[in-house]
Amino acid sequence: GAGVSQSPSNKVTEKGKDVELRCDPISGHTALYWYRQSLGQGLEFLIYFQGNSAPDKSGLPSDRFSAERTGGSVSTLTIQRTQQEDSAVYLCASSTGTGWTGELFFGEGSRLTVL
Amino acid sequence: KQEVTQIPAALSVPEGENLVLNCSFTDSAIYNLQWFRQDPGKGLTSLLLIQSSQREQTSGRLNASLDKSSGRSTLYIAASQPGDSATYLCAVRPGGKLIFGQGTELSVKP
Repeated sequence: GAGVSQSPSNKVTEKGKDVELRCDPISGHTALYWYRQSLGQGLEFLIYFQGNSAPDKSGLPSDRFSAERTGGSVSTLTIQRTQQEDSAVYLCASSTGTGWTGELFFGEGSRLTVL
Repeated sequence: KQEVTQIPAALSVPEGENLVLNCSFTDSAIYNLQWFRQDPGKGLTSLLLIQSSQREQTSGRLNASLDKSSGRSTLYIAASQPGDSATYLCAVRPGGKLIFGQGTELSVKP
């Protein structure tokens, strides 16, 4: 597609359930990012993939959060045993990854609500 | 630790005014700075990207400047329109990830 695609756009789940959020980056973009935006809060970095390098996981808030990127393209963010504080919009972005000068393009986000 | 601050947090102007949004950062060691807009319930739309070697970038009615030595960037919007109403975010890139400010919520009244 032309832009970054995220699914689902909305997800409501019960506390304690696992959820998976998907991101399909712009074709040819080698770098992929996950951010979280909570109500009234700024954008919080979660994880960053660059080509075949080991991902930068320094922003993941707990070991309940994990992400993978298969075949250098699609990424899945998994949250295990969801808690109410996980409720937020999860945003994915991609860039050409040419050094660290590339422009980032964001998807529309996945809104997660944990009841 | 890199910190990004945007002032003001909110701004309301009448249609047609020229306006300036401010962004400051604490560490000048950045690769680039990017301005975004975010409409309610939507993702981020990239407006302008300024590389560290550049002083400014222009797109239509938007002009962004970068002064690395003073840790400041401004986004100038000419002849504002109601459709410009949104939250504007600046982000700096000291390495792999972007670090964001809290944003300026702009309202342009008809």
